[in-house]
This record gives sequence, C-alpha cells and structure tokens, in this order.
Amino acid sequence: TQLLEQSPQFLSIQEGENLTVYCNSSSVFSSLQWYRQEPGEGPVLLVTVVTGGEVKKLKRLTFQFGDARKDSSLHITAAQPGDTGLYLCAYGENTDKLIFGTGTRLQVFP
Amino acid sequence: DAMVIQNPRYQVTQFGKPVTLSCSQTLNHNVMYWYQQKSSQAPKLLFHYYDKDFNNEADTPDNFQSRRPNTSFCFLDIRSPGLGDAAMYLCATKAVASQTQYFGPGTRLLVL
Repeated sequence: TQLLEQSPQFLSIQEGENLTVYCNSSSVFSSLQWYRQEPGEGPVLLVTVVTGGEVKKLKRLTFQFGDARKDSSLHITAAQPGDTGLYLCAYGENTDKLIFGTGTRLQVFP
Repeated sequence: DAMVIQNPRYQVTQFGKPVTLSCSQTLNHNVMYWYQQKSSQAPKLLFHYYDKDFNNEADTPDNFQSRRPNTSFCFLDIRSPGLGDAAMYLCATKAVASQTQYFGPGTRLLVL
C-alpha cells in the first residue's frame, strides 16, 4: 500500500484568504481523487485527476496533478466559511479499494 | 434522489452491549463498504462486499462483523463495543466499473 502524505494537517484561516493543500507520495499513480468531508457528513468526491500536469477547476478550487503523477495540489481562492471541512486525497487500489491520504482539516472563519 | 442512507445518525450504546448500524442504497451498486473514522483522521476501511463476496481487512478486529442480505442493504454489527470503538462509521458504495465511492452521512457511535 502506497502512502499519501497531505500537508498541512490543519489549516485555520480568515474568509477571503487563499490556501493550498498538498498530497505527496513517492509512488506513481494512474489517477488521484480529491474528496471533501463537511462536519457531520460523509466525504464527497470533488474531482479526479488522470493526466500528468493536468489542471482542473471547480469554481474557486483548482486541482493540479504533478507532471510525474506522484503528487497533487488543491488551491482554494478567496476561501469562504462553506469551504470548512476535511480534505482528502485518495487513489484506487486494485479497483475496489480507496487509499486515503492523511487528510487536511480546514477551518475558515468569517 | 439516489443516495446512500445510514440509520441511525447517532447511536449511543453501553460498554459491551451489542449494536447494529444499518446502511441502504438506491444506487444499485455492487460494492459496499464500511469505514471507521476517528476525529480529524481519514476513514479506515473495515471490510467491503463485492456483491455477496465478503472482504475483511487484515487489521479489522473480530468484534466487527457485517451482513449484506441483498444488494440494497448492509449492516455493521459490533458484538461487544469498547470505549475505543466510539467513532463515526461510514458506509459507501461503488459501481464495478468506477473508482468513485459514494458515502452515506455516517453514524456517530458513542460508547458509555
């Protein structure tokens, strides 16, 4: 099982600030997923990145897959309190199982 | 709307008293999962079903059992809950040809 390290582990910011979350590994992945889990709810898939160097945008969220497909980043522009939650990167192992990263807990204060 | 439903959302049990958590899905997905999640940590897979084929994770304690009587329903039985079993329990489903998992809202278990 390949390890996915996320940084930072915790992030506490004011509304309007920008932030970046990183997901790193020494292994190469065919694809990586990003999930967001709001307090008291289950994780929800935000995006899947597949191609090395790929950039995907979802409103104020920008996802990038590293050129070597070993890492990924999530950048949030002008964070809002609704962005608060646990952000998880993940990859599919043997198709049926997901291996999650260590997680980044984001708190955005009004 | 098609979804993954978990009942109850909150469950309180006593130390050693068996408890069952339930999950149902309207997505008609072949694969169903049970995860345990503790505060600010990533979900930890306990086991999963591919149709009726049960797949236990090597480090899942024997205290945790599961049943899947049909495609739509899956149950998590904790035979003798300990204080360390207090956590959020998440159910998820997946179609065979996809890597996307759809999660329920979770059941938060409190052990007194």
